[in-house]
Amino acid sequence: AQKITQTQPGMFVQEKEAVTLDCTYDTSDQSYGLFWYKQPSSGEMIFLIYQGSYDEQNATEGRYSLNFQKARKSANLVISASQLGDSAMYFCAMRERGTSYDKVIFGPGTSLSVIP
Amino acid sequence: DGGITQSPKYLFRKEGQNVTLSCEQNLNHDAMYWYRQDPGQGLRLIYYSQIVNDFQKGDIAEGYSVSREKKESFPLTVTSAQKNPTAFYLCASSGGYEQYFGPGTRLTVT
Repeated sequence: AQKITQTQPGMFVQEKEAVTLDCTYDTSDQSYGLFWYKQPSSGEMIFLIYQGSYDEQNATEGRYSLNFQKARKSANLVISASQLGDSAMYFCAMRERGTSYDKVIFGPGTSLSVIP
Repeated sequence: DGGITQSPKYLFRKEGQNVTLSCEQNLNHDAMYWYRQDPGQGLRLIYYSQIVNDFQKGDIAEGYSVSREKKESFPLTVTSAQKNPTAFYLCASSGGYEQYFGPGTRLTVT
């Protein structure tokens, strides 16, 4: 069963507009962490934002915010005031306790294109 | 500057040859990871290491081997037993909750 679901393979947004990238997850753990990474065409993975399962406030980092809805198991990334440099793949990931180590599971990704 | 280096960026090999991908970090992190990424897909874990001289198989370890003789280094060998070795390989390290990634090595086997 897929642990991380990103239902939008591709998204388009006008420059300066806000965009929401969807992510739902599946876990039976009470303690876990959720991440978003950006992967430009160069291939490097850039950490954007983190949300712990016990954090009551939604995480924010500059133009990035994470809309965390625990009961719905949803961790959507909101990018405000999109810029051309935001065009990239975006991956949602979850860190949960494994039997011998903390597993990090990645979703399939969403390709975001920012239109001038 | 602290970070993770992977070399080379592009690597070409003939089928049947073993090839070793380098990963070095100067972040003083205990944990290191190797991931494989195929076109249009997410990352899949090959091997991980929590501490020097110890490493564990991830989800797709068949055809790969690793060593962890030093804290800073976690090389990955793609053996001839790996059926579809052509892919993008990412190394990561972690000292807390997030993982830091290297720039990746794109391996092409023909």
